[in-house]
Amino acid sequence: EIVMTQSPATLSVSPGERATLSCRASQSVSSNLAWYQQKPGQAPRLLIYGASTRATGIPARFSGSESGTEFTLTISSLQSEDFAVYHCQQYNKWPWTFGQGTKVEIK
Amino acid sequence: EVQLVESGGGLVQPGRSLRLSCRASGFTFGDYGMSWFRQAPGKGLEWVGFIRSRAFGGTKEYAASVKGRFTLSRDDSKSIAYLQMDSLKIEDTAVYHCTRALHSSGWYFSDYWGQGTLVTVSS
Repeated sequence: EIVMTQSPATLSVSPGERATLSCRASQSVSSNLAWYQQKPGQAPRLLIYGASTRATGIPARFSGSESGTEFTLTISSLQSEDFAVYHCQQYNKWPWTFGQGTKVEIK
Repeated sequence: EVQLVESGGGLVQPGRSLRLSCRASGFTFGDYGMSWFRQAPGKGLEWVGFIRSRAFGGTKEYAASVKGRFTLSRDDSKSIAYLQMDSLKIEDTAVYHCTRALHSSGWYFSDYWGQGTLVTVSS
């Protein structure tokens, strides 16, 4: 199966600052990569699919990019509601697999 | 508004069975694939299984950890997806989420998630 590795495990950022989250695939997943945001006690929310396409209603401060098997989620200016856990997931090949998540916390 | 509501979770002994339901509304259920995920307490997300729409044969995919024990099905007339879980193990303890799977550019991915239902397997 494809192993997804996210880094860092925890990211401490001040409100208004930029956050950069990374996700690496153990083999090619093409652009079939999604990012989800999850807050405590809530269901995950789709942010990005196709590595770089924002889902409906997602603010422009969220952006996704790719370079080979390396994927990046950037939050340009963190708002209070953005502190959460972020998961990357590949849907290129069965089984679908996730990274272990990156927690973005207030610095 | 797309809504997915899971039900059927609870406390069950190892080796027993449980059936989860996912009631969908706000979209044409039969046009979409449906997928299930789970999240053990304090752990990350794990994909469980996927069922295609009838237009794509209604075929299914399963994670290795549940294959042969869990069965996906759907009732398009009722807009409900099911997850039948047999021979449950302690390690199946988790919150189970159903999701709508959108088909885009030849691939499926999950765009809407339900809040989940907790399954606890314990003696």
